[in-house]
Amino acid sequence: EDQVTQSPEALRLQEGESSSLNCSYTVSGLRGLFWYRQDPGKGPEFLFTLYSAGEEKEKERLKATLTKKESFLHITAPKPEDSATYLCAVQARTGGSYIPTFGRGTSLIVHP
Amino acid sequence: NAGVMQNPRHLVRRRGQEARLRCSPMKGHSHVYWYRQLPEEGLKFMVYLQKENIIDESGMPKERFSAEFPKEGPSILRIQQVVRGDSAAYFCASSQGPPSSYEQYFGPGTRLTVT
Repeated sequence: EDQVTQSPEALRLQEGESSSLNCSYTVSGLRGLFWYRQDPGKGPEFLFTLYSAGEEKEKERLKATLTKKESFLHITAPKPEDSATYLCAVQARTGGSYIPTFGRGTSLIVHP
Repeated sequence: NAGVMQNPRHLVRRRGQEARLRCSPMKGHSHVYWYRQLPEEGLKFMVYLQKENIIDESGMPKERFSAEFPKEGPSILRIQQVVRGDSAAYFCASSQGPPSSYEQYFGPGTRLTVT
């Protein structure tokens, strides 16, 4: 069974204090790994898709990286508006209809 | 270009009543997915549909839950005889093609409260 573990569960940062969120996964052949951002009371907003180890993607202050066992979401000089829950999801290469499995998320709060 | 739309945004039902949740996918998207999110838990897949077809319902409870995506109109998730444990946020997502090749885009969710 595919498993996704995100850490930490919650993270508090000061504005400008860079940090990383972790997504560890166990899957029978990774087809894709997704990062989403979810604001309170709203649906997840798509951020990135990573397909192979060594791949990196960037968007503003966010950079996602991928290894064979985990992915990191690096947040550089965060601002209060980056406060949200960040979700990771993995998609297996084999079997089923390729529906991604989601982790429980990391709740990020950035203080001004 | 409008995103995924869901209605109602909030729904209150008494135990034993029926709940109907609607989802209109993004323009040009013909693949729809339903997820459930409980407090402090991740998104749990329920069902994947394409127009007039259920592709994967492996996450759908065997009883009381059903879903459809007719040729015309929105996708509907139906919960019969609701119980308190059905209280959750239900999210719909859509994609332009199959999930093997296309990302999913989510709607704002419907928050169901069963009293």
